[in-house]
Amino acid sequence: DSGVTQTPKHLITATGQRVTLRCSPRSGDLSVYWYQQSLDQGLQFLIQYYNGEERAKGNILERFSAQQFPDLHSELNLSSLELGDSALYFCASSVVTGFGGYTFGSGTRLTVV
Amino acid sequence: DAKTTQPPSMDCAEGRAANLPCNHSTISGNEYVYWYRQIHSQGPQYIIHGLKNNETNEMASLIITEDRKSSTLILPHATLRDTAVYYCIVRGLNSGGSNYKLTFGKGTLLTVNP
Repeated sequence: DSGVTQTPKHLITATGQRVTLRCSPRSGDLSVYWYQQSLDQGLQFLIQYYNGEERAKGNILERFSAQQFPDLHSELNLSSLELGDSALYFCASSVVTGFGGYTFGSGTRLTVV
Repeated sequence: DAKTTQPPSMDCAEGRAANLPCNHSTISGNEYVYWYRQIHSQGPQYIIHGLKNNETNEMASLIITEDRKSSTLILPHATLRDTAVYYCIVRGLNSGGSNYKLTFGKGTLLTVNP
C-alpha cells in the first residue's frame, strides 16, 4: 500500500457518460497530480493541485476537470466520454517542499464502451 | 525540463547487475535526475534521485557523470520482479518553491531473464 488511495479500481461506462475518479493523497502531502496512461500515449500529465489550488496544467481536455477539497482529497471528473478516453488514470501525491519522489496510487482503469 | 534519451529495451540475467543508461545533455544546473519504474499496469514507483553526487539507497545506485550530461541507474542484483519500464526524468523546481510536475518519456523496458 503506497498510501495514495484511488477509487474505484475499475470503471466501465458508456460513451457520452460522466464519471468521477477519486484520490486520497498520502498523509501530509499537499500536492496531488493526475496522470493518464493509454496504450499509445504513455503517461501523460493532466493537472496538479497544491493545497486546494490548481498549480499546473498539462494535456487535459476541456471535457475533463478536477478539484482538490479542503481535506486534500482530489476528484477528476470526466464528461462526454469517448472510446478514446479508455485508459489508466493515476493519482500521485508529494510533500510540500523538498525533492523527494512522488507516491503514486494503483490507478483507476476506465473502460468506455 | 531537460529532455532525456533512454534505450527502448534491455535484457539482464537474474542475479547480475542491471545498468540502465540515460542521456540528459541539456540538463541545467538546478535540475535533478529522477528514476521511476512501472511494473506492468501498476502505479509508477519512485526509485532514486540525485543532483550531482552519486546516490545509493536500498533499491539502487545512481551514478551521474561529472558534466551531468548522463547518468546510470544500477540495480546490483536484478531479480525477476525487477522486470519493468524504467523512466529517467529530469526535473526542476518552479519559482514558487512547490513541487513541479514530472514528465515521463517512453522509458526502458528492462527484462530480467532467469
